[in-house]
Amino acid sequence: DSGVTQTPKHLITATGQRVTLRCSPRSGDLSVYWYQQSLDQGLQFLIQYYNGEERAKGNILERFSAQQFPDLHSELNLSSLELGDSALYFCASSVDGTGGEQYFGPGTRLTVT
Amino acid sequence: GQQLNQSPQSMFIQEGEDVSMNCTSSSIFNTWLWYKQDPGEGPVLLIALYKAGELTSNGRLTAQFGITRKDSFLNISASIPSDVGIYFCAGQRGIAGANNLFFGTGTRLTVIP
Repeated sequence: DSGVTQTPKHLITATGQRVTLRCSPRSGDLSVYWYQQSLDQGLQFLIQYYNGEERAKGNILERFSAQQFPDLHSELNLSSLELGDSALYFCASSVDGTGGEQYFGPGTRLTVT
Repeated sequence: GQQLNQSPQSMFIQEGEDVSMNCTSSSIFNTWLWYKQDPGEGPVLLIALYKAGELTSNGRLTAQFGITRKDSFLNISASIPSDVGIYFCAGQRGIAGANNLFFGTGTRLTVIP
């Protein structure tokens, strides 16, 4: 158990809909990262937050957004969903924003039908 | 997004054999991490490397940070059935506070009892 929690575990929704994925980092960790894992693209970085502020952006679509709250939990919002958004979405956390070990949550499997 | 070249893509070995896999990049990284992922689960951190030339062990696992900082290697000695899974390397640049990971394409390991 990494100490990172993610909800829900599974999510099935229709095209055009909007969903919110939730992540709680390990106790004491200030940085949260979101990654997407699909069969054709592998594990891809989406976005990083550090202590409530956006720190870095990767291949995140404009239809996707995220935020980190004062209690350090984070939410990833996916809107106008398309079939191609079906993937595993992972949250990871690290102690601070200076690099080093990242610990991953169990993931949310999103299926868009 | 950038993916690191990881080889071999898959391996079938007998229980008790040693395993070697490697990861190469066209870019320099300041940190190399190795993860293991079981189906439907989040990646689990195995080893972290922070310095070029560094050799680090974790039980039967040994990993090395390449001298050029563009590659890393993972060895597993005396494999056992529970070593089955997908192994990912990940590089981190740690520049300007952006500490996202760039992942390799993965090595799928099958251990035959």
